[in-house]
Amino acid sequence: EAQVTQNPRYLITVTGKKLTVTCSQNMNHEYMSWYRQDPGLGLRQIYYSMNVEVTDKGDVPEGYKVSRKEKRNFPLILESPSPNQTSLYFCASSLKIPGQGAGYGYTFGSGTRLTVV
Amino acid sequence: ILNVEQSPQSLHVQEGDSTNFTCSFPSSNFYALHWYRWETAKSPEALFVMTLNGDEKKKGRISATLNTKEGYSYLYIKGSQPEDSATYLCAFSPGKLIFGTGTRLQVFP
Repeated sequence: EAQVTQNPRYLITVTGKKLTVTCSQNMNHEYMSWYRQDPGLGLRQIYYSMNVEVTDKGDVPEGYKVSRKEKRNFPLILESPSPNQTSLYFCASSLKIPGQGAGYGYTFGSGTRLTVV
Repeated sequence: ILNVEQSPQSLHVQEGDSTNFTCSFPSSNFYALHWYRWETAKSPEALFVMTLNGDEKKKGRISATLNTKEGYSYLYIKGSQPEDSATYLCAFSPGKLIFGTGTRLQVFP
């Protein structure tokens, strides 16, 4: 089944304790992205990757890191989480850059609800 | 700052009613308009991707239209069912996707 697998679904952690949220897709998609969803705001892009070893900042990259060593995996790393990073996070992938060209919608992962105390 | 606005924020309808909601976006530098359906406790799922002015897309009872010159898209649901209850997100692209905050639809039996 074509999917984006994101883990964990729920995570409660303490301020400053490094964590990684994993994301893996099995559709050979070139483009992968991380978003956060906060109440009253639309999905905001954290980082994106257009292909292996090609990553770039989105709109809200502060406090996050990513890597794209293999095409299928795109982990999100919080080196020193803070309470303002408490949010719902989504990983998403697309065959090509979504929003450019016809038909390139996102497939989203199941989401990670992160609480930093 | 480019804004995507969706209205209404929320909507309650009876089963069988038809309904529609709006996505408004800047009319310049248009590449694409996406619609996603997001059920509670699940992840958003792509409904439509539209790129041409005048585009109309349909999937079952759900359809969408696009007017890039005036900067809006409508999503229509014909004969709403309880399983249509979800948040409907639109995303406008002037090169990268910018998401609206969604219209939350609840359909009562």
